[in-house]
Amino acid sequence: AQSVTQLDSHVSVSEGTPVLLRCNYSSSYSPSLFWYVQHPNKGLQLLLKYTSAATLVKGINGFEAEFKKSETSFHLTKPSAHMSDAAEYFCVVRGGTGGYNKLIFGAGTRLAVHP
Amino acid sequence: EADIYQTPRYLVIGTGKKITLECSQTMGHDKMYWYQQDPGMELHLIHYSYGVNSTEKGDLSSESTVSRIRTEHFPLTLESARPSHTSQYLCASSGTGEETQYFGPGTRLLVL
Repeated sequence: AQSVTQLDSHVSVSEGTPVLLRCNYSSSYSPSLFWYVQHPNKGLQLLLKYTSAATLVKGINGFEAEFKKSETSFHLTKPSAHMSDAAEYFCVVRGGTGGYNKLIFGAGTRLAVHP
Repeated sequence: EADIYQTPRYLVIGTGKKITLECSQTMGHDKMYWYQQDPGMELHLIHYSYGVNSTEKGDLSSESTVSRIRTEHFPLTLESARPSHTSQYLCASSGTGEETQYFGPGTRLLVL
C-alpha cells in the first residue's frame, strides 16, 4: 500500500532563508509524487510532480523537490523564503493503478515565514 | 478560462437541513472527486466519478451522496445535516490519462 509521511507538522523560517519540508513515502512500485500548497481560505494548488522522469523536479514559485529512491524521500526545498510562501504544504502519492487515479495525502506541514 | 468552481464557499446551516454543495469544471475532465478535510488535517477521499453516470465511494465513509448527470457537474448532497458533518469539502477533477488533480476553492460547512 502507498503512504506518505510528512516529518514536520510546523516549520518556521525567516524571510530570505532556505526552506526544507520533508516527506518520506512508501510504495510497492515506482510512485508518482506531488507537492500541493494550500493558502488560507484557498483551494489546493499543484506545486510540482514527479512521474519517473528527472529526479530533480522544478515547480512554480521557485520550489523544487528531489526524488531519492534509496531514501524513499521527496523533500521540498526553496533557496529563499518569501512572506507569500506561508501556507500549508501537502506531500501526496498516487495510490491507485490503471484508471483509478487515487491520491493519498500526507498530514501537511504548516510553513510560517517571519520578517 | 478553464477552471473548477465550488459554491457556496461558506455555509452555516441548522441540524436536519438538506444541503447540496455544487462543483463544476470547465476543463472537460472525465474524472471528478470529493474530499473532506477537517481543520489542520489531511484530505480524505469520500466520492469519485470516472464519468457520466459513474460514482463510487472513497476511502472515508460519508453519509453524503453524489450524482454525475453531466460531465462538468458533480454535486454532493447531505439529506440531513448534522454537526458531525462540519468540515471543509474540496472538489477536484483530472483528465483522461492525467494523474494531476485540479482542486476547487472548497466549501466550508458549519452545521449548528
